[in-house]
Amino acid sequence: GQQLNQSPQSMFIQEGEDVSMNCTSSSIFNTWLWYKQEPGEGPVLLIALYKAGELTSNGRLTAQFGITRKDSFLNISASIPSDVGIYFCAAHSGGGADGLTFGKGTHLIIQP
Amino acid sequence: DAGVIQSPRHEVTEMGQEVTLRCKPISGHNSLFWYRQTMMRGLELLIYFNNNVPIDDSGMPEDRFSAKMPNASFSTLKIQPSEPRDSAVYFCASGTRTGGTGQETQYFGPGTRLLVL
Repeated sequence: GQQLNQSPQSMFIQEGEDVSMNCTSSSIFNTWLWYKQEPGEGPVLLIALYKAGELTSNGRLTAQFGITRKDSFLNISASIPSDVGIYFCAAHSGGGADGLTFGKGTHLIIQP
Repeated sequence: DAGVIQSPRHEVTEMGQEVTLRCKPISGHNSLFWYRQTMMRGLELLIYFNNNVPIDDSGMPEDRFSAKMPNASFSTLKIQPSEPRDSAVYFCASGTRTGGTGQETQYFGPGTRLLVL
């Protein structure tokens, strides 16, 4: 089946540093989504990407839909303590309602 | 909007018992998804509905699992009989078309943490 390879698996950074994580696949997708999950909660949608090459920002977060439609990255600038959590990439290939395929997640840990 | 509502938030039961998880999607969303999250397997899609009709249940692990969506505002995921390996967090998500392109975006509930002893 379709798989998303998300990296890195975990990141230990200092507050104020920039963060970069990415997802790749051998399959082509039509939608890429980035979620953040905190302990005891469900994933919260951060950014949605619908077009190859699209670059979208949400505050300090920036994500891009790869031109090949097989990858996406998420950048966080000037990290702060509340950025701690698990970040998931997700994608689907359908044009309509379709279940998401998820990456394994990137654990972000910030040292003050 | 209250977001996706799931109940119960926590469930502890004994092996062999029936478990029913409930979900109320965001009003106006016409797609509903059930996912399971474990440390070993991450987030996995179990089943999804579009306009209350099950579209793809290929992710449902066994016949012990069943899901229904009797109307646009309610869905259940049932496990009967439950087994210890069913212990996981079960998420419900509802979807809507956004971005002006007809593409689907999904919003997750807080999850039900199930422990089967």
